[in-house]
Amino acid sequence: GAVVSQHPSRVICKSGTSVKIECRSLDFQATTMFWYRQFPKQSLMLMATSNEGSKATYEQGVEKDKFLINHASLTLSTLTVTSAHPEDSSFYICSARAGLAGGQLQETQYFGPGTRLLVL
Amino acid sequence: QQQVKQSPQSLIVQKGGISIINCAYENTAFDYFPWYQQFPGKGPALLIAIRPDVSEKKEGRFTISFNKSAKQFSLHIMDSQPGDSATYFCAASMWLTGGGNKLTFGTGTQLKVEL
Repeated sequence: GAVVSQHPSRVICKSGTSVKIECRSLDFQATTMFWYRQFPKQSLMLMATSNEGSKATYEQGVEKDKFLINHASLTLSTLTVTSAHPEDSSFYICSARAGLAGGQLQETQYFGPGTRLLVL
Repeated sequence: QQQVKQSPQSLIVQKGGISIINCAYENTAFDYFPWYQQFPGKGPALLIAIRPDVSEKKEGRFTISFNKSAKQFSLHIMDSQPGDSATYFCAASMWLTGGGNKLTFGTGTQLKVEL
C-alpha cells in the first residue's frame, strides 16, 4: 500500500517552454501533497505544500508564478514549471500524506519516484 | 531551530558490519522522526520511524535509537549488505499551527557497503 506515482519520469524541454509533472496517490486519498526539489548529492528541499481544493503554500524563495501547483482531487496534484530555463533543471519529487485514519491525523509522507527535468 | 543535523556525510562499511548514522535536532516541537532510504535516480522510501515517547524501535535489521534529552536519534543497520548501499536521510516532523505538518530533512549520508 501507500504507492505514489509520478509522470513523466524524465523530460527534456527547450528553454522557454512549460512542463507539467503529475503526482498520483494510487491506493489512498492524499489530503496533502508536497513538492520537493533535489539537486545532485543534496538533500530534499521543500518547494510547496498543497491541500486538496485549496491554494498551495509556497516556501520562502520559491516563485509561485513559476511553479504552478494544482491539487484538484484527493489523488492528483500537478506541478507546472512555466517558462523553464536551464537553472530549473533538477530532480522533482512529490510526496503524499493521507488524511485521517482511525480518527488520527497521519504524518507519514510517501514519496513518488521523482521526475528528472532537463531544460536545454 | 528548524535544522536537523546529520552525520557522517559518507560511510563505508564492510559486509556484515553495523552502519550507524546520527542525527540531532534543536526544536522540541518535532514529534515524529522518520528515516528514508534513497537509491540513485529514485524517490526516497520510508524505512522506519519513531516518536519521542519511545527510546528504541526495531524493524528487521534496522533500529532507531532515540535520546529525547539529548535531542538525538540514530539509525543502526545490522548485518549491512551491499544492497543497503544508498543515501539515507533522517527527518523530523512537527504539526503546524493552522493544521498540517512538514518534514525537515537532514543533509543525507551516502552509505557504501563493501564486500
